Amino acid sequence: AQSVTQLDSHVSVSEGTPVLLRCNYSSSYSPSLFWYVQHPNKGLQLLLKYTSAATLVKGINGFEAEFKKSETSFHLTKPSAHMSDAAEYFCVVSDTGGFKTIFGAGTRLFVKA
Amino acid sequence: DAGVTQSPTHLIKTRGQQVTLRCSPKSGHDTVSWYQQALGQGPQFIFQYYEEEERQRGNFPDRFSGHQFPNYSSELNVNALLLGDSALYLCASSIKYATNEKLFFGSGTQLSVL
Repeated sequence: AQSVTQLDSHVSVSEGTPVLLRCNYSSSYSPSLFWYVQHPNKGLQLLLKYTSAATLVKGINGFEAEFKKSETSFHLTKPSAHMSDAAEYFCVVSDTGGFKTIFGAGTRLFVKA
Repeated sequence: DAGVTQSPTHLIKTRGQQVTLRCSPKSGHDTVSWYQQALGQGPQFIFQYYEEEERQRGNFPDRFSGHQFPNYSSELNVNALLLGDSALYLCASSIKYATNEKLFFGSGTQLSVL
């Protein structure tokens, strides 16, 4: 069985400071892991995807995530937050072939000026 | 190139009614997945359609059913609506077995059950 846990429901940072959104997963086999972002009144947008090619994955808008198998984690980071990064972020685990995709509960990112 | 389109964008129904939501996948995509996103929560997987058949299903009752047409578009039907069915319903399309498969999401249908 697969599951994903986002450790923080809300994260608040100041503009220009680093962002860390935490995600732990559980899977009985090598999973595919994703981060999606959801802006208000907009559809979900893929930030990045891990599929075992490299443990450090670079995504759009300066985001990246590191897959750590020993810690079963896939935390999302960004060196410097921008006001436009304020949104809801979802960590997602999927089985091979994408038959079933499990979303975390989400982390709301607030960016202060 | 149109992305994933869903209709209608908003819908209001009363308890006990039936509703049909529609989704057109991104051009070139053959797989459609449906999700329910309740307020303040992450999307919950309902089911996935590929080659006009339901391939995988989440923990949703039989009141939730779907269909995929030969042009890959899809419908989600919900019967005997309950207040708890009020949510944003998201459709996502993808290419089955693509080497770099990823989901493209529509903007969703906001369903309110009164």
